Amino acid sequence: DVKVTQSSRYLVKRTGEKVFLECVQDMDHENMFWYRQDPGLGLRLIYFSYDVKMKEKGDIPEGYSVSREKKERFSLILESASTNQTSMYLCASSLSRSGGKLFFGSGTQLSVL
Amino acid sequence: DQQVKQNSPSLSVQEGRISILNCDYTNSMFDYFLWYKKYPAEGPTFLISISSIKDKNEDGRFTVFLNKSAKHLSLHIVPSQPGDSAVYFCAASGVNSGTYKYIFGTGTRLKVLA
Repeated sequence: DVKVTQSSRYLVKRTGEKVFLECVQDMDHENMFWYRQDPGLGLRLIYFSYDVKMKEKGDIPEGYSVSREKKERFSLILESASTNQTSMYLCASSLSRSGGKLFFGSGTQLSVL
Repeated sequence: DQQVKQNSPSLSVQEGRISILNCDYTNSMFDYFLWYKKYPAEGPTFLISISSIKDKNEDGRFTVFLNKSAKHLSLHIVPSQPGDSAVYFCAASGVNSGTYKYIFGTGTRLKVLA
């Protein structure tokens, strides 16, 4: 079974801090994604990557950046955390670039105070 | 502009009865559709999917129906069990603004009453 591991289940940060959310997948998947989930808004795509060192903006990239230096690892960076970035962050990976299942990590519940 | 819509935020069903969750989409370029189940404080888990070349896919108690002309899909769970209580997300995937993406709906919270 594919394993997508997110480094933290819960994080509490202060406004203005730089925050790193790490995600590792163990199935040699090409594609990795970062979503955030908020009540009533569903899952919204922040950034995604189809290859090492490649990144593309999703629907809500403002305030975020990403890094993919190795195929198995995709990091989400909050340059200067704000209270409106309090959310559940979900990393996902998929094998195929055109269809197929997304495999999700357990999520990181981030609170920005 | 919401391309994938789940118009029912919540649904309650008696144990043993059928649960029907609905999802509508707007982009005819979507070619693969998925349903995910999510418990609180956990990541979504894959339930079932369907390709746009099919109109039905079944896996145990779960069946997904796709009506391409209506741009509508539904998930049927029968019989419903208390352990099915969770939030269900539908997702549509395909080329969107030049790249392949997965777009999720806002979710439907299913409560199965014992």
